[in-house]
Amino acid sequence: GAVVSQHPSRVICKSGTSVKIECRSLDFQATTMFWYRQFPKQSLMLMATSNEGSKATYEQGVEKDKFLINHASLTLSTLTVTSAHPEDSSFYICSARARGSPSNYGYTFGSGTRLTVV
Amino acid sequence: DAKTTQPTSMDCAEGRAANLPCNHSTISGNEYVYWYRQIHSQGPQYIIHGLKNNETNEMASLIITEDRKSSTLILPHATLRDTAVYYCIVRPSYNTDKLIFGTGTRLQVFP
Repeated sequence: GAVVSQHPSRVICKSGTSVKIECRSLDFQATTMFWYRQFPKQSLMLMATSNEGSKATYEQGVEKDKFLINHASLTLSTLTVTSAHPEDSSFYICSARARGSPSNYGYTFGSGTRLTVV
Repeated sequence: DAKTTQPTSMDCAEGRAANLPCNHSTISGNEYVYWYRQIHSQGPQYIIHGLKNNETNEMASLIITEDRKSSTLILPHATLRDTAVYYCIVRPSYNTDKLIFGTGTRLQVFP
């Protein structure tokens, strides 16, 4: 089945630095990728949707200059948290949707990245 | 997409059936019921989906009421590894847009 690899699984960074999270579709072409954020004991909150070769669409309240998303190829999307602060500490999860896949089960999720900003 | 209501948490003994309810009284005729689950510190995993007929796969069974206003996800023989948050999502099958998660049900399977 479809596999999405997300890296790193865990990262600790200093306040003010930037962190890049990668999401790769291993055996399919992901025309659309979604980035979620999840705080402890809360549900997943969609941050942005990115389509290959075009600019990401951000959800209301998500700063596009702080959370940079690049979807330059059909197998790779990256999320860069710029000038990270402790309040950005969270669990970040990507999801990929394959080209032409039915909506029924066309969403495959990465294993998530635990970001801790100190 | 139609709104769903799920209990916040449930317990289940290992080996017994876990029945997770979901209310979706405003569901439209073209909307499917999907179930995903998220084990702690992992990404969500697709479980099953259905329109109006009951469905079964290797993971679970989905029972949808005749009026489609509610459904139940059944894990026939729950194991400790089934401890997770279970999300019920209602949306059209042709909707290729974002997947929105509600609060879900936290299922705790105990020995």
